[in-house]
Amino acid sequence: QKEVEQNSGPLSVPEGAIASLNCTYSDRGSQSFFWYRQYSGKSPELIMFIYSNGDKEDGRFTAQLNKASQYVSLLIRDSQPSDSATYLCAVSGNTPLVFGKGTRLSVIA
Amino acid sequence: EAGVAQSPRYKIIEKRQSVAFWCNPISGHATLYWYQQILGQGPKLLIQFQNNGVVDDSQLPKDRFSAERLKGVDSTLKIQPAKLEDSAVYLCASSLFFQGSSGNTIYFGEGSWLTVV
Repeated sequence: QKEVEQNSGPLSVPEGAIASLNCTYSDRGSQSFFWYRQYSGKSPELIMFIYSNGDKEDGRFTAQLNKASQYVSLLIRDSQPSDSATYLCAVSGNTPLVFGKGTRLSVIA
Repeated sequence: EAGVAQSPRYKIIEKRQSVAFWCNPISGHATLYWYQQILGQGPKLLIQFQNNGVVDDSQLPKDRFSAERLKGVDSTLKIQPAKLEDSAVYLCASSLFFQGSSGNTIYFGEGSWLTVV
């Protein structure tokens, strides 16, 4: 059974700080890694995807991948109250996308 | 570009009744997915279609759930008979390519919220 593990939180950070969200996965054959944001009562929306080891930056968001450690992270710089949501890590290879349970982030103004 | 459309948005039924959800994917998207998301959990794949063929339905409770995608476009997910534990959001999603392909993005609909009482 392929698993994706995330700390459920809540993770509370002050406005303007860096929020760090972490995810580990069990399937070493995984090739694609995604971060989705889900506001309460809404559907998931894609924030970033990453395929290669290292960092990938998009605006205030940075995804980090370490395949040797089977670890993916998402950094949110200059966190805003509007970033308060649940962040879902998702992993796939040649297999269906598997989601973690999500980490609830709360950015305090 | 129109997104993934789902209906109904909300449904309340009694246990042992039946319910059907409809999904219209983004135009041109070959792959369609149905996910179940229980409160506090991540989405769980129920079934994946590539055009009108089933790619993966290993986690679909086939004794009560069924899904079809006629003509490779719209899809319907049916639950009969419903159980209390089926209370969840049913998310339809679509993507241009087969899941796992480089650059493949999955887009979700707003979801159909089911409460079984």
